[in-house]
Amino acid sequence: DAGVIQSPRHEVTEMGQEVTLRCKPISGHDYLFWYRQTMMRGLELLIYFNNNVPIDDSGMPEDRFSAKMPNASFSTLKIQPSEPRDSAVYFCASTSGVRTEAFFGQGTRLTVV
Amino acid sequence: GENVGLHLPTLSVQEGDNSIINCAYSNSASDYFIWYKQESGKGPQFIIDIRSNMDKRQGQRVTVLLNKTVKHLSLQIAATQPGDSAVYFCAESSSNTGKLIFGQGTTLQVKP
Repeated sequence: DAGVIQSPRHEVTEMGQEVTLRCKPISGHDYLFWYRQTMMRGLELLIYFNNNVPIDDSGMPEDRFSAKMPNASFSTLKIQPSEPRDSAVYFCASTSGVRTEAFFGQGTRLTVV
Repeated sequence: GENVGLHLPTLSVQEGDNSIINCAYSNSASDYFIWYKQESGKGPQFIIDIRSNMDKRQGQRVTVLLNKTVKHLSLQIAATQPGDSAVYFCAESSSNTGKLIFGQGTTLQVKP
């Protein structure tokens, strides 16, 4: 398996634009996590899914952020409209169940100017 | 200000010495704990894990210790090498929810 695949690796966008980050989890994994990493806040959990269903979105900063998982092999994190303070590295991770290691993608570095 | 960031604890060790990185977790319901290593420009990578029914687990050059009484976790790295230089995160999870939460991280610097 190629591991967790995220795209794009880098994204630079202007304030106010919509940004969509994509994630393909490892095949067979039924948990998917979205994290945001910044110097200010470290590695924050934004939302996670189990069997494509959002379980906990309490980490989503505000209504500008939304996440979907239409099927077991794909998830998106959307920011609309984007703001400079959204600049961060966004990671996706997947795991095959509770009490098993989570595998991370390479991340998407988002810069909002 | 914009330049204020997390002041990650930093551990500086000499190559060949043993390293001990500590972590306090918050949720008494957590029953699964993981240590991750993150190198610059990469995603966190799994090092070792431990379940709450254990207090010690050993891997290759690494040992994790769990003290549930004081909610403390530690990672011991034997014979630290320059390639061990990275940021190390502990993470906790509960089998009831599957939610995986990370601590703030510790920077390990290995001096040759």
